[in-house]
Amino acid sequence: AQKVTQAQTEISVVEKEDVTLDCVYETRDTTYYLFWYKQPPSGELVFLIRRNSFDEQNEISGRYSWNFQKSTSSFNFTITASQVVDSAVYFCAVGTTGTASKLTFGTGTRLQVTL
Amino acid sequence: GAVVSQHPSWVICKSGTSVKIECRSLDFQATTMFWYRQFPKQSLMLMATSNEGSKATYEQGVEKDKFLINHASLTLSTLTVTSAHPEDSSFYICSARGGTSNEQYFGPGTRLTVT
Repeated sequence: AQKVTQAQTEISVVEKEDVTLDCVYETRDTTYYLFWYKQPPSGELVFLIRRNSFDEQNEISGRYSWNFQKSTSSFNFTITASQVVDSAVYFCAVGTTGTASKLTFGTGTRLQVTL
Repeated sequence: GAVVSQHPSWVICKSGTSVKIECRSLDFQATTMFWYRQFPKQSLMLMATSNEGSKATYEQGVEKDKFLINHASLTLSTLTVTSAHPEDSSFYICSARGGTSNEQYFGPGTRLTVT
């Protein structure tokens, strides 16, 4: 069974602050995928990143960056210079590979960015 | 990019009636579709996995006779909530896997309210 823990239920920051969302996962699979999704108030899930368990390189995409540490089973997400439009619920997920792959989501972190 | 649509986007029905939700992959063939349920301020919980032309695989605790899933073609899966009750009120999200990348793409969700 897989499990994802997002210990931060809600985070509130002022615009332009940096914020890191934590994600710790559990899986028995040796090969797996890790994901981050954003869910704005409209409800639609927005895909942010997928990371293969073999690839521990950190990734930066604009104001977003991800820190994958297999040794601690963590896949943290940092938003630099946050903006009001970043306000949303962010979900971390772990997925199995293969044709029967399924995603297991964390409970989400609600990020509120204020002026 | 791969687009998944859901119809309707929201529906209100009376207790005891049935309601059908459609999930379509618009520009790719989806070999597998997934149905999730999300209660307010909670995570996405996988309900079932369906493969085209075969019976859906339900997650533990999900009543297959209550949540009927049909995946009749490579671009369409339907979820029918039978004899709906107020506790079935939720946000139902589908995802479809396929296309060249074999990624999982999410629909915009359907908000069901049972009165």
